[in-house]
Amino acid sequence: GAVVSQHPSWVICKSGTSVKIECRSLDFQATTMFWYRQFPKQSLMLMATSNEGSKATYEQGVEKDKFLINHASLTLSTLTVTSAHPEDSSFYICSAKSSGSLGETQYFGPGTRLLVL
Amino acid sequence: GQNIDQPTEMTATEGAIVQINCTYQTSGFNGLFWYQQHAGEAPTFLSYNVLDGLEEKGRFSSFLSRSKGYSYLLLKELQMKDSASYLCAFMDSNYQLIWGAGTKLIIKP
Repeated sequence: GAVVSQHPSWVICKSGTSVKIECRSLDFQATTMFWYRQFPKQSLMLMATSNEGSKATYEQGVEKDKFLINHASLTLSTLTVTSAHPEDSSFYICSAKSSGSLGETQYFGPGTRLLVL
Repeated sequence: GQNIDQPTEMTATEGAIVQINCTYQTSGFNGLFWYQQHAGEAPTFLSYNVLDGLEEKGRFSSFLSRSKGYSYLLLKELQMKDSASYLCAFMDSNYQLIWGAGTKLIIKP
């Protein structure tokens, strides 16, 4: 149990375009989903926390108009990188947790590699 | 304030035992997690401790002392596939994970 998927696993796009990344909890209902970014050889950086049906809470320094997060259902959250630039190239990872028997553990998706040319 | 600290890198030999330490400071605490992250991949959950003591799960064990703000991950019978980064994270009073920078474990034959 507790499987989280992400799609796509990697994407290459031109500067100025928008990219949407999907995060799904496959076998549990995720009341909360988290979006992280990780640059090479660095630790995870929390970007935002989203609860189903409400607006995401962004960490300091993360532009909410650039990184649009939608958590419309208990199994799906999306991150849209708008007007992507080369400096947005990174490894984006989502995680999900439920309020049920799985407790407070966050389960991670496999990540999405974004390369902006 | 809050902080969490773990060694940057450790080296161990295949078949041996290694202990990765993690110390933390926080006013609110709701448990400590250990994750494994192989290079280029997302973290995978290893363990969760919320009470003092040792939790054993196969070759991996995790220990917590809340009074000392200390945890360790113990890996026994090391295998080459255990080469990875090991991340500790505590959950604060807002149920938010505060991450350590990770310990890169290098296993030598």
